[in-house]
Amino acid sequence: DQQVKQNSPSLSVQEGRISILNCDYTNSMFDYFLWYKKYPAEGPTFLISISSIKDKNEDGRFTVFLNKSAKHLSLHIVPSQPGDSAVYFCAATTRTNAGKSTFGDGTTLTVKP
Amino acid sequence: DTAVSQTPKYLVTQMGNDKSIKCEQNLGHDTMYWYKQDSKKFLKIMFSYNNKELIINETVPNRFSPKSPDKAHLNLHINSLELGDSAVYFCASSQVGGRSNTEAFFGQGTRLTVV
Repeated sequence: DQQVKQNSPSLSVQEGRISILNCDYTNSMFDYFLWYKKYPAEGPTFLISISSIKDKNEDGRFTVFLNKSAKHLSLHIVPSQPGDSAVYFCAATTRTNAGKSTFGDGTTLTVKP
Repeated sequence: DTAVSQTPKYLVTQMGNDKSIKCEQNLGHDTMYWYKQDSKKFLKIMFSYNNKELIINETVPNRFSPKSPDKAHLNLHINSLELGDSAVYFCASSQVGGRSNTEAFFGQGTRLTVV
């Protein structure tokens, strides 16, 4: 039972354009959501998070949107840069233990110059 | 200064062997984890330790035994290695107790190949 799904295994975007990565979850108990970024041969690094009491959180070029009724979240990167090329993992958890997360299987983003 | 470091980075071994992966964090976090990333790229939690005590064991075969000598270390010992154990293993830490409740900080991963 995959509780967190990223249905697009890959996404290719032109530099300067917007990248939109999507994530769906099934467990209503999740109340905290995170996005991690992973480069090859490195561990995931935290990018941005959102609590279920919000529907949007912004940090520079990165914005995460949460639609609780649809159990859907998305990560927007604008403008996209070649250095953003990486695998992006969506993760869901409870606010009491943000380190223990259920991860999606990742979306590989390629930003072309 | 590496926040979460794990060794070795690569490990190639034969079926049936016993091996260990070491992990150390210098962030002062109270909770450490082992995650496994399989060939399908899923990252799944295996164990979680809080202040040296096991709090999560996610249906992992008992050939896998985590050991936490102190809050800053969480080692993973694997007995009788099988082909299906081949994966990338990530150590991570976070702060759960107290005022802070952080996301996970990951090590660089250990790619285990069982031949």
